[in-house]
Amino acid sequence: AQSVAQPEDQVNVAEGNPLTVKCTYSVSGNPYLFWYVQYPNRGLQFLLKYITGDNLVKGSYGFEAEFNKSQTSFHLKKPSALVSDSALYFCAVRDIWSSNTGKLIFGQGTTLQVKP
Amino acid sequence: GAVVSQHPSWVICKSGTSVKIECRSLDFQATTMFWYRQFPKQSLMLMATSNEGSKATYEQGVEKDKFLINHASLTLSTLTVTSAHPEDSSFYICSARREASGRVYNEQFFGPGTRLTVL
Repeated sequence: AQSVAQPEDQVNVAEGNPLTVKCTYSVSGNPYLFWYVQYPNRGLQFLLKYITGDNLVKGSYGFEAEFNKSQTSFHLKKPSALVSDSALYFCAVRDIWSSNTGKLIFGQGTTLQVKP
Repeated sequence: GAVVSQHPSWVICKSGTSVKIECRSLDFQATTMFWYRQFPKQSLMLMATSNEGSKATYEQGVEKDKFLINHASLTLSTLTVTSAHPEDSSFYICSARREASGRVYNEQFFGPGTRLTVL
């Protein structure tokens, strides 16, 4: 079965420190992977995606993610966290059985709290 | 580009009434749109895939007669919650899959969400 796991409900970091939000996936074949961010009472904003190519993907707001096929992971990273990065982060993988529609399978979300 | 709007942003209604939520792709066409439901501090639950010009595809456990979806044009999908009850209170989010110049984008673009409260 296809799935996405975000093992941490919450990640706390101090402003200026590097941050990592973890994501692992389980799909057959080559995965299409995505990260989204959600601020309170708002929809999701697209951060970055991995389809093919370089394993290190750079996205919006200084975020990047590294695709690791052997570990089936796609962790989100940022070298220096900002208080404004505090939000709910979702990892997602495209459902291979619905690839014609682009249906996504979402992880359970990780709350990132950046403290000044 | 790739902006998706939702209207209304919030709505309060009485139990038993119906509520319509609109999802529009403002600067692109979308053959496919998605409707999600989100409970506080939880992940998104896909309710249905909305297909322009054809019937929506509902996820298992979602009542199609209660959550009516119409995707009448390439830029508009509507979700109607019929005979709403307090347990239907939730945050409803739509997304659209962007298509332009023969290319279909892999990422979905999300609307800002609609907060529904049923009294």
